[in-house]
Amino acid sequence: GENVEQHPSTLSVQEGDSAVIKCTYSDSASNYFPWYKQELGKRPQLIIDIRSNVGEKKDQRIAVTLNKTAKHFSLHITETQPEDSAVYFCAARSNTGNQFYFGTGTSLTVIP
Amino acid sequence: SAVISQKPSRDICQRGTSLTIQCQVDSQVTMMFWYRQQPGQSLTLIATANQGSEATYESGFVIDKFPISRPNLTFSTLTVSNMSPEDSSIYLCSVETLGTQYFGPGTRLTVL
Repeated sequence: GENVEQHPSTLSVQEGDSAVIKCTYSDSASNYFPWYKQELGKRPQLIIDIRSNVGEKKDQRIAVTLNKTAKHFSLHITETQPEDSAVYFCAARSNTGNQFYFGTGTSLTVIP
Repeated sequence: SAVISQKPSRDICQRGTSLTIQCQVDSQVTMMFWYRQQPGQSLTLIATANQGSEATYESGFVIDKFPISRPNLTFSTLTVSNMSPEDSSIYLCSVETLGTQYFGPGTRLTVL
């Protein structure tokens, strides 16, 4: 099955700086890669996603890049704000199954 | 997107008892998923529930411990049976719509 690894597990940045979270996956058949943000005590919320026919996608301060050859994808948050502080999960889904496989999460702290 | 509700939002239960968690979606969906999230951990898929068929369980999870019902396309239940303190966790239902996965608010279970 799919194995998704995520790094770093914790990340602290100064407000206004950029944050980058990286994930790798093992199944070359994976073709959909969402990112979720989970604030304390709340449900995971989809913030951005990318499909395997695209190399990069951007939504305001958030961008995701995908390298299919290397089997890794990254989340980039620019101009970070304190409200970006949360746990972020990457996930991968194969086109041969229905399950989403999640990374271990990154706890991001933005220091005012 | 999909609007998902869960009941109960939290419960405290005694060892050896069972708890049934309900998940309601505001639209008809084919795929419903049940996840467990232990404190500070990632999301672990318990099972996938399709309407009209038996749930498909992931490795480490069995039907006798986590029976699931899926009577229609908008509703599912997960029962945590013969509970022990190790079952203390947040249980989340999730649905897939248009290729994207959305989560319910979760049920926080504490087993004494």
